[in-house]
Amino acid sequence: NAGVTQTPKFQVLKTGQSMTLQCAQDMNHEYMSWYRQDPGMGLRLIHYSVGAGITDQGEVPNGYNVSRSTTEDFPLRLLSAAPSQTSVYFCASSHQRWDSQVNYGYTFGSGTRLTVV
Amino acid sequence: TQLLKQSPQFLSIQEGENLTVYCNSSSVFSSLQWYRQEPGEGPVLLVTVVTGGEVKKLKRLTFQFGDARKDSSLHITAAQPGDTGLYLCAGLGGSNYKLTFGKGTLLTVNP
Repeated sequence: NAGVTQTPKFQVLKTGQSMTLQCAQDMNHEYMSWYRQDPGMGLRLIHYSVGAGITDQGEVPNGYNVSRSTTEDFPLRLLSAAPSQTSVYFCASSHQRWDSQVNYGYTFGSGTRLTVV
Repeated sequence: TQLLKQSPQFLSIQEGENLTVYCNSSSVFSSLQWYRQEPGEGPVLLVTVVTGGEVKKLKRLTFQFGDARKDSSLHITAAQPGDTGLYLCAGLGGSNYKLTFGKGTLLTVNP
């Protein structure tokens, strides 16, 4: 039972480089999201998806793109890395009951620690 | 924007002591979740509370959702070093199903 798998675990980028953080889940969850975690700031939502082909912006979307071509995968793209994007990135997925707005909890990956120099 | 404030931000206690951490908001949430995060790992779900006034127990942990569904508390009885970690509350509200996290309470239980 893999759950949510994130790759890579660590990455160092130079300013201006682009890269894709991978996220895959094997639980057939409809809902997937990306968060970044910074000291003193908590977890902030970057982008989320309620199903294949549907994505939307979260609290801090600038500088990031996402797509959801399959239920399983939700990659996060950094278009032109900046030092302000140095952070720990978490992907999470969840089963969601849309009729009652009840969410039964997120499963998180183990994170990608990104440093932009 | 629905904000969740957690208190205290840091808590250091001795093994065997009891403690309570709080999660407060001015907004109403349809459900609220508590997570624990250990260094180098992602948050792990502890509990989801849905009904105002609901109380859930998980071994030595007791979770309560406020009657107005704006606040929650986590009480730990006889804390152990294994309880050490970052405790996060997260609320689900509004029509867009986004989960909003508090900044967390960093708990250290000393042997």
